[in-house]
Amino acid sequence: ELKVEQNPLFLSMQEGKNYTIYCNYSTTSDRLYWYRQDPGKSLESLFVLLSNGAVKQEGRLMASLDTKARLSTLHITAAVHDLSATYFCAVDLRSQGNLIFGKGTKLSVKP
Amino acid sequence: KAGVTQTPRYLIKTRGQQVTLSCSPISGHRSVSWYQQTPGQGLQFLFEYFSETQRNKGNFPGRFSGRQFSNSRSEMNVSTLELGDSALYLCASSGTGADYGYTFGSGTRLTVV
Repeated sequence: ELKVEQNPLFLSMQEGKNYTIYCNYSTTSDRLYWYRQDPGKSLESLFVLLSNGAVKQEGRLMASLDTKARLSTLHITAAVHDLSATYFCAVDLRSQGNLIFGKGTKLSVKP
Repeated sequence: KAGVTQTPRYLIKTRGQQVTLSCSPISGHRSVSWYQQTPGQGLQFLFEYFSETQRNKGNFPGRFSGRQFSNSRSEMNVSTLELGDSALYLCASSGTGADYGYTFGSGTRLTVV
């Protein structure tokens, strides 16, 4: 059974600090996604990582994928309050709409 | 380009009733997948449709069913509702090639009382 584990599940940061969220998965996959969810809202796509060594950056967020280690990271640089949300990683099984999600990391950025 | 449209946004139903949710994918996308999100179980895959055919199904009871129409719009149906079916139901549409990836709709919040 495929497992996707995120850590930490809760993260309280101060503005201006850096931190990394980790996503480990238990089976071979070349496709990994990161999503952001605000309370009561849907999932907003942040990054699509489609190959080993892929690195993508958008603003203060940078995601990477190491398929050999079955590990993806989401790095936050100089956090700001607007980044407060829950972040999910998801692994794509068989490219047939079967995304397996981690439990999410609830990020709170405090002044 | 219009996004993924889910209707209705909110729904309150009574135990034992049935409900139908609708999802219109991004124009040109032929794959629609459905997910259930609850505080306890997180995000769980229900099923996926491509060109009117169910290609993949998650581990949910037969009370959960779906279909897809020739215009790629999809519906999911839950019969004999239980309190535990209260959840946010999300659909995602997916394209191919440069359009690859899963775009989620705003969701339908179902409350069963």
